[in-house]
Amino acid sequence: EAGVTQSPTHLIKTRGQQATLRCSPISGHTSVYWYQQALGLGLQFLLWYDEGEERNRGNFPPRFSGRQFPNYSSELNVNALELEDSALYLCASSFPGGAGGYTFGSGTRLTVV
Amino acid sequence: LAKTTQPISMDSYEGQEVNITCSHNNIATNDYITWYQQFPSQGPRFIIQGYKTKVTNEVASLFIPADRKSSTLSLPRVSLSDTAVYYCLVGDWDDKIIFGKGTRLHILP
Repeated sequence: EAGVTQSPTHLIKTRGQQATLRCSPISGHTSVYWYQQALGLGLQFLLWYDEGEERNRGNFPPRFSGRQFPNYSSELNVNALELEDSALYLCASSFPGGAGGYTFGSGTRLTVV
Repeated sequence: LAKTTQPISMDSYEGQEVNITCSHNNIATNDYITWYQQFPSQGPRFIIQGYKTKVTNEVASLFIPADRKSSTLSLPRVSLSDTAVYYCLVGDWDDKIIFGKGTRLHILP
């Protein structure tokens, strides 16, 4: 069974540009979570989607947004990129509400120059 | 959301049993306790989840006392490859899960 897949693996953008990160959950999982992890730091909760709706978001500015598609895949969009947005962006999926724990993807390394 | 407190770092030797304790004094009735392992530049990996008493799987055991205000992850006979950051998370199935700073476990030869 395929795990959580994220694309691209690496992404380099210049300041002010937009970045789009994609995530495909494990088959059967309807919840998708996004986390940001800056180098050497902990995971910061970004967004939680379930059944196509945003269920909760972390303490991030509105230029961080996303959506979940009918097939439960998800996109994270970051507008007006800033240097401090450089981080590993991790996507996780689970059964509704996190039952049984999360399964994480390998992440997208975003570098803003 | 129940806040968790873990040691920032721990050292141990290969072949030893390692116990990492997590405090969660404000755990709610519906909250589960879940532990994850993370290697550098990788996503966290689910280790074990429990609600009360003891849970064991092929890689770890989780001990939860009756008051559920703490939990202990037990890793039997660790190896160098167990060097990682370990996160204790507390939450229910209908809430966002917040990761704390985790415990950096360093296994020495």
